[in-house]
Amino acid sequence: GAVVSQHPSRVICKSGTSVKIECRSLDFQATTMFWYRQFPKQSLMLMATSNEGSKATYEQGVEKDKFLINHASLTLSTLTVTSAHPEDSSFYICSAPQTSGGTGELFFGEGSRLTVL
Amino acid sequence: AQTVTQSQPEMSVQEAETVTLSCTYDTSESDYYLFWYKQPPSRQMILVIRQEAYKQQNATENRFSVNFQKAAKSFSLKISDSQLGDAAMYFCAYTGGNKLVFGAGTILRVKS
Repeated sequence: GAVVSQHPSRVICKSGTSVKIECRSLDFQATTMFWYRQFPKQSLMLMATSNEGSKATYEQGVEKDKFLINHASLTLSTLTVTSAHPEDSSFYICSAPQTSGGTGELFFGEGSRLTVL
Repeated sequence: AQTVTQSQPEMSVQEAETVTLSCTYDTSESDYYLFWYKQPPSRQMILVIRQEAYKQQNATENRFSVNFQKAAKSFSLKISDSQLGDAAMYFCAYTGGNKLVFGAGTILRVKS
């Protein structure tokens, strides 16, 4: 199957700093990527849809100025958590469909665990 | 808005036995896809099985099979001959377009 890679897998930062998480589709082009947030033993909550060449679409309640998303190319999307605070500590997962049209499965990255001190 | 409901927070099964995980969903669309994903302790999401709504035949993948009841909007997962490696969090998911909506998840414990 298709491979999606996330980096870093773990990051610890101080409160007030910004952190960037990268999501790459390694063997296919992804015009769309999705960013999810997951708290321990909870479900994945969609934060935003990243669109190559245009602005990201954020879900209701997600601060777009806090979580900056940039879909720089057909294989790379980045999520930047700006001015991070302890409540931003979470597991962030990206995913991408291999085919357009939204009818195929999503391929997931390995996830990034963010800890804000 | 589409919703996915998993009413079993936790389930246990004896090794080699069969277990069924429940999932219901709500949608007004006629064409959509349903999935079961497995999330082991590594937290990597792994696709277990997929069902296209237009197909009446239930999907099967080795020891995993689904009971898809479109009229009832039900999509349960049956795991046969359970193995220790099946222990994980299982998520039912729906997509009618690009968005994938997840249920709350079911923790499956496998007893040896």
